[in-house]
Amino acid sequence: ELKVEQNPLFLSMQEGKNYTIYCNYSTTSDRLYWYRQDPGKSLESLFVLLSNGAVKQEGRLMASLDTKARLSTLHITAAVHDLSATYFCAVDGGGGADGLTFGKGTHLIIQP
Amino acid sequence: GAGVSQTPSNKVTEKGKYVELRCDPISGHTALYWYRQSLGQGPEFLIYFQGTGAADDSGLPNDRFFAVRPEGSVSTLKIQRTERGDSAVYLCASSPWDAGGEQFFGPGTRLTVL
Repeated sequence: ELKVEQNPLFLSMQEGKNYTIYCNYSTTSDRLYWYRQDPGKSLESLFVLLSNGAVKQEGRLMASLDTKARLSTLHITAAVHDLSATYFCAVDGGGGADGLTFGKGTHLIIQP
Repeated sequence: GAGVSQTPSNKVTEKGKYVELRCDPISGHTALYWYRQSLGQGPEFLIYFQGTGAADDSGLPNDRFFAVRPEGSVSTLKIQRTERGDSAVYLCASSPWDAGGEQFFGPGTRLTVL
């Protein structure tokens, strides 16, 4: 059974600081996705990582994938309040299912 | 263009009743997924359609849950004899490719079983 673990699950940080969210998964997969969810809202796709070594950046967010280590990171640079949200990583496959397996999410609060 | 839409946005029902939740995917997307998200958790996969057929229903929790997509577009998730534990947000997603492609999520239906 595919398991996806994120850490930390909760993070409070100040504006202007840098931080990294980690996503570990338990079985081989070449495809990893990062989503953002605001309170009471649905999931917004942030990054699609499709191969080992993939790195993508959008604004203050950068995501990377190491399939050998089964690890993805989401790095936040010079955080701003608008980035406050819950961030999920998700991996496809796992036990024959074709849906995504999600982590529990990282609840990020950025204090002004 | 229009995104994934879901109706109703909220549904309150009594224990034991039958409910239907509707998903209208992005036009042209052949793959459609249903997920369930409980409070404070990540979405949990329920079922995946490729076209009209359920390619994978391994995530459905029991036989009270059933989903259809008769014309390869709109899908309906049906829950019989609802239980309080079924209360959650039910999310639908669609993708233009086979499984493994980027999925685009709808706003969800919040189901509350009293």
